[in-house]
Amino acid sequence: NAGVTQTPKFRVLKTGQSMTLLCAQDMNHEYMYWYRQDPGMGLRLIHYSVGEGTTAKGEVPDGYNVSRLKKQNFLLGLESAAPSQTSVYFCASSENRGPRGYTFGSGTRLTVV
Amino acid sequence: DAKTTQPNSMESNEEEPVHLPCNHSTISGTDYIHWYRQLPSQGPEYVIHGLTSNVNNRMASLAIAEDRKSSTLILHRATLRDAAVYYCILRANSGGYQKVTFGTGTKLQVIP
Repeated sequence: NAGVTQTPKFRVLKTGQSMTLLCAQDMNHEYMYWYRQDPGMGLRLIHYSVGEGTTAKGEVPDGYNVSRLKKQNFLLGLESAAPSQTSVYFCASSENRGPRGYTFGSGTRLTVV
Repeated sequence: DAKTTQPNSMESNEEEPVHLPCNHSTISGTDYIHWYRQLPSQGPEYVIHGLTSNVNNRMASLAIAEDRKSSTLILHRATLRDAAVYYCILRANSGGYQKVTFGTGTKLQVIP
């Protein structure tokens, strides 16, 4: 049982380049989330999805796009990377209700130079 | 969204108990209290959750105040591997998306 898997784990981009971060979960969770974490700050929600084919904006959505074509996958895209997007990105998933909480991936460390 | 308040940092000596507090004065009756921890260079991981009664598992204990406006995560014997950031959040037991804020948590330092 892998839980939540994020790829890649590390990436260096040049300003203006694009990339896609992939998140895959094998727990049949309805909800999926993308967070970013910067030094000294908590987790900030970028986008989330409440089911296959749905996406919604979180706290800091600017500069990012997402897609959830399949229930198990949630993709985060950066169309034109900027140094301000240097961060650690975490994907998480959860059921839509009930006491069980979030399962997080191990993170993607992205540096934009 | 219901908010939680935690101290920014705490210290503990190795092999001593640690009590990590969390205030959630605006908790609603259907909110579960969840605790997560984030080890260095890793994603947050689930520690424990509860609703009204105190809870124990292999990782920790959760003590919930009678009025549910605060809770305490108890690590019975802190080890160096427990050095992490601990987050307390509230999660409603109802359908539909609810905004959950993780905040900055409590950074626990364990002193050998």
